[in-house]
Amino acid sequence: KAGVTQTPRYLIKTRGQQVTLSCSPISGHRSVSWYQQTPGQGLQFLFEYFSETQRNKGNFPGRFSGRQFSNSRSEMNVSTLELGDSALYLCASSLLPAAGANVLTFGAGSRLTVL
Amino acid sequence: SQQGEEDPQALSIQEGENATMNCSYKTSINNLQWYRQNSGRGLVHLILIRSNEREKHSGRLRVTLDTSKKSSSLLITASRAADTASYFCATESANSGYALNFGKGTSLLVTP
Repeated sequence: KAGVTQTPRYLIKTRGQQVTLSCSPISGHRSVSWYQQTPGQGLQFLFEYFSETQRNKGNFPGRFSGRQFSNSRSEMNVSTLELGDSALYLCASSLLPAAGANVLTFGAGSRLTVL
Repeated sequence: SQQGEEDPQALSIQEGENATMNCSYKTSINNLQWYRQNSGRGLVHLILIRSNEREKHSGRLRVTLDTSKKSSSLLITASRAADTASYFCATESANSGYALNFGKGTSLLVTP
């Protein structure tokens, strides 16, 4: 069974640009979550999608957005990049609601560097 | 905001020794999970303990949960060099809206 696949794995952007990250969940997983990981703030929740609907969003500015497609694949977009957006962006999928608990299977992450 | 706080921040032990990491949290929870992360890659789920459980085992892992103290501990017995990683606790609450709240992690180094 293939794991959670994130692309691209590494990318470098400059301030003001925008970026789109992609995530393919485990087959059969319909819930997809995104987290931002930085040395200073640790892991912070960005958003969660289920059946193409955003069910929750973390405390991030509107420059951070996402969507989920009918095949459960998800993308997140960050516009007008700032230096502070440099981070490891982690996508995770889960069997919610079937599992009864939100046990996450993570991808390897997309490491974004903003210059 | 961070719900869980791990202690210690860093731990260095030798192979064969036991490693104990602690996690404290602030609000009532449905469950608490532990994850491992190797070298800035994705996290791997290790074990889940529900709020009505006090102890769980999985292989060399033992997790305890004390809801009265809002704390949990992860014990790794007979550590191996391959256990070198960062370990995070994550809490799921009834009102967390499918978000897990992660602590900042304990960095474990196991030397041969």
